[in-house]
Amino acid sequence: EADIYQTPRYLVIGTGKKITLECSQTMGHDKMYWYQQDPGMELHLIHYSYGVNSTEKGDLSSESTVSRIRTEHFPLTLESARPSHTSQYLCAVAGTSGRGGANVLTFGAGSRLTVL
Amino acid sequence: AQKITQTQPGMFVQEKEAVTLDCTYDTSDPSYGLFWYKQPSSGEMIFLIYQGSYDQQNATEGRYSLNFQKARKSANLVISASQLGDSAMYFCARRYGGATNKLIFGTGTLLAVQP
Repeated sequence: EADIYQTPRYLVIGTGKKITLECSQTMGHDKMYWYQQDPGMELHLIHYSYGVNSTEKGDLSSESTVSRIRTEHFPLTLESARPSHTSQYLCAVAGTSGRGGANVLTFGAGSRLTVL
Repeated sequence: AQKITQTQPGMFVQEKEAVTLDCTYDTSDPSYGLFWYKQPSSGEMIFLIYQGSYDQQNATEGRYSLNFQKARKSANLVISASQLGDSAMYFCARRYGGATNKLIFGTGTLLAVQP
């Protein structure tokens, strides 16, 4: 399994500020993901990366951007935060699980963003 | 759209009893995978169990089992001998996009285990 770390866990910030949510993993897996989850709702894929310098947008349109300069690091950036960006952002890594060999997504603890 | 449907927004179960959480899915892919995740109030997503579409047997993992009915496109999660720590949100998900391993999630079921 991949160890995956997200910072910050909680962030309260004012409108118009630039924010970066950090996501890092220790296992060297190629595929990484960002999901957005509003309170009590399902997760939606907003960004996907299949390796260094290879990213694509997910199914849910997002004003955020991502970069993948190093395998282990997949940060998400909002250039100008707005209250509509208030949500939880979950980073994930795809790795082979011992359980049936499935490519299981392992999630980080999440970053809860509140924009005032 | 190919979606995941979880029709039970909330469920109650007594401690030590079994509970079934429903999940149906829609897909035209011949090969796919189905997953269940648990999300406690702390917010992290915990992988519970996986079922491949070509697997002959239903998946089991400790107290979790998956009742997979391919023809009905259902993949219900069964939790046996419920514990207080099982109280959480449970999400069903299906893999799509081939080797990308992307997941589409259902809306979740909030399970409350009562002592």
